[in-house]
Formats: sequence, C-alpha cells, structure tokens
Amino acid sequence: QQPVQSPQAVILREGEDAVINCSSSKALYSVHWYRQKHGEAPVFLMILLKGGEQKGHEKISASFNEKKQQSSLYLTASQLSYSGTYFCGTEQSPTSQGGSEKLVFGKGTKLTVNP
Amino acid sequence: EAGVAQSPRYKIIEKRQSVAFWCNPISGHATLYWYQQILGQGPKLLIQFQNNGVVDDSQLPKDRFSAERLKGVDSTLKIQPAKLEDSAVYLCASSLFRLNTEAFFGQGTRLTVV
Repeated sequence: QQPVQSPQAVILREGEDAVINCSSSKALYSVHWYRQKHGEAPVFLMILLKGGEQKGHEKISASFNEKKQQSSLYLTASQLSYSGTYFCGTEQSPTSQGGSEKLVFGKGTKLTVNP
Repeated sequence: EAGVAQSPRYKIIEKRQSVAFWCNPISGHATLYWYQQILGQGPKLLIQFQNNGVVDDSQLPKDRFSAERLKGVDSTLKIQPAKLEDSAVYLCASSLFRLNTEAFFGQGTRLTVV
C-alpha cells in the first residue's frame, strides 16, 4: 500500500519553513525519509520506528504519529541545499511484534528553495 | 568508505533485446536491494537479498526479470526481453543489516527502451 505524500510540490524562499506529510491507510512499523536531488541517488535522512522518539538531523526533523499512521518532515530555516524531492518510505506493521521488512515509497514531494 | 557502485550508468536498447545491470554494494553490507524508479515516481522495490538469499521478490516481473547475488556480494539484474515500459532508472542499494538501518543508494542505471 503506497503512502500518500502532501504537498506534491512546494516552493520556498531561503529561510522559510516547510512541512511534508506522509500518510498510510495501514498500521505502520517504521517510516523512512530520503532526499533525492535531480539526477542523483536518494540520500538517507532518518528512520522513525514505532514507539520511538521524534528524530532530528541538523534543521530537519520528523515525527511519527502511530495512531494516525502519519509522519511529518519539518524543514526549518530552509537552505538552497534543501532543494530536491523528498520521499517517505513506509513499512507496515502486520503483527504487534514487528514490521513487514518491506519498504514502500510514496511518489515524492518536490521542494524548491529559491534565494 | 566506497559507496555502492553500479554499471553501466546509461543504456539504450531496442524492445525485445536483453540487458544486464551490475551492482557492487558497500563492503560488509548484508542486505542488497534493487529498485525501479520511473520518472516522477518513488523507487519501487523489485528484489531484496539478505546475503545471497532472496528476502522479497514479490514485485519482480519474473517472466522477464531475473536477479542473482553470487557469494553474497555483487549482484546482477537482467531483463529479457525488454519492453517499452521498462524504461526507468534502476537503483541498487545496500544496508548493513536488514530494513531498519540506513540504506545507501548507487547512482543508478538509466535504461531507455526504444
């Protein structure tokens, strides 16, 4: 079940904040966030696990609401280098014990940061 | 630390021809993934190996795609025969353990089927 990301695209000026959302219709065990610049490989940002804490990476942080089956990625005081497409990957939780070990990526959110 | 190596970077073939892609993961990484990324979409998992065993290949079109990971290190992905809809970037990734660790992606192979 592919997660749904919103918005599909966002344009910011340097220094502005943005939130990217990722939601699933299935119970989730983990959510993975990656950033991909045009023509390059996806680069890992962070993993959020069921029952885990909110994660942070420089000025990029994320939360995972297990009950709502949603994750949000927060980009604070955006920099030009933040431009790219952000993908969330979700791992379902078919049992109460663990995850499905299968990651399904959303279609991505294209972020453009202008000077 | 060397990254995930893939070759070739680009490939153009005619439909019904065959093609093979090669991946060398980061040394010591037990898990290897092949993803297909169609333009404007997120990566779609084709096959996942744990050492040289297949963990998941449920989305691999087995009538035309095959993959192997010899000795739990390098891997090859083959398409035979290719269709127009196979045009995509094929990404290889590896991780130290299984899913809940960081995956490192290679630069990918851009396949165009004409």
